[in-house]
Amino acid sequence: EAGVAQSPRYKIIEKRQSVAFWCNPISGHATLYWYQQILGQGPKLLIQFQNNGVVDDSQLPKDRFSAERLKGVDSTLKIQPAKLEDSAVYLCASSLTDLQGTNTEAFFGQGTRLTVV
Amino acid sequence: EDKVVQSPLSLVVHEGDTVTLNCSYEVTNFRSLLWYKQEKKAPTFLFMLTSSGIEKKSGRLSSILDKKELFSILNITATQTGDSAVYLCAVEKAGGYQKVTFGIGTKLQVIP
Repeated sequence: EAGVAQSPRYKIIEKRQSVAFWCNPISGHATLYWYQQILGQGPKLLIQFQNNGVVDDSQLPKDRFSAERLKGVDSTLKIQPAKLEDSAVYLCASSLTDLQGTNTEAFFGQGTRLTVV
Repeated sequence: EDKVVQSPLSLVVHEGDTVTLNCSYEVTNFRSLLWYKQEKKAPTFLFMLTSSGIEKKSGRLSSILDKKELFSILNITATQTGDSAVYLCAVEKAGGYQKVTFGIGTKLQVIP
């Protein structure tokens, strides 16, 4: 079974530039998550999608971050403009929703390491 | 605010040792506690615990949850160098959506 695919693996940009990350979840997984993991910290949930709808974006800095999952499959996360403190690994994860509507454990992609200079 | 606290933050052991990693939590509408192993970038799933007192085992790893005292432990017996990683604990809330809060992780280094 193919895992969660993310690209690019690494990205270096200057502050105030824009960047976009792409995620393709495991086939059939209705729930997709974007996490930000700053060095030395645990992953922090930025946004959670159920199919193509947003169910939680309470920790997404909406003045500069945006995400979409237009057809309920692939997703993109964008930062515009980037700040130095956005340097982190951005992890995408997906999970199944069982018959009771409960999400199972999440499977993570390899992440994108973003460095803002 | 939901909180997940892991201890110790880091640990160095010799191959063959047994280690116990701790995770305590405060969360409303608890649904489950999850353990992940993170070696480079992608966390890989280890266990999901929903019921108190029921041990989950996978090879040399085991974990148990105490919902009364709000903590979980992850045990690794006969450690190997391949167990070196950051071990993340996360708690999941029930409700309209299931928000997951991660701890900072325990960095385990197993030396030969």
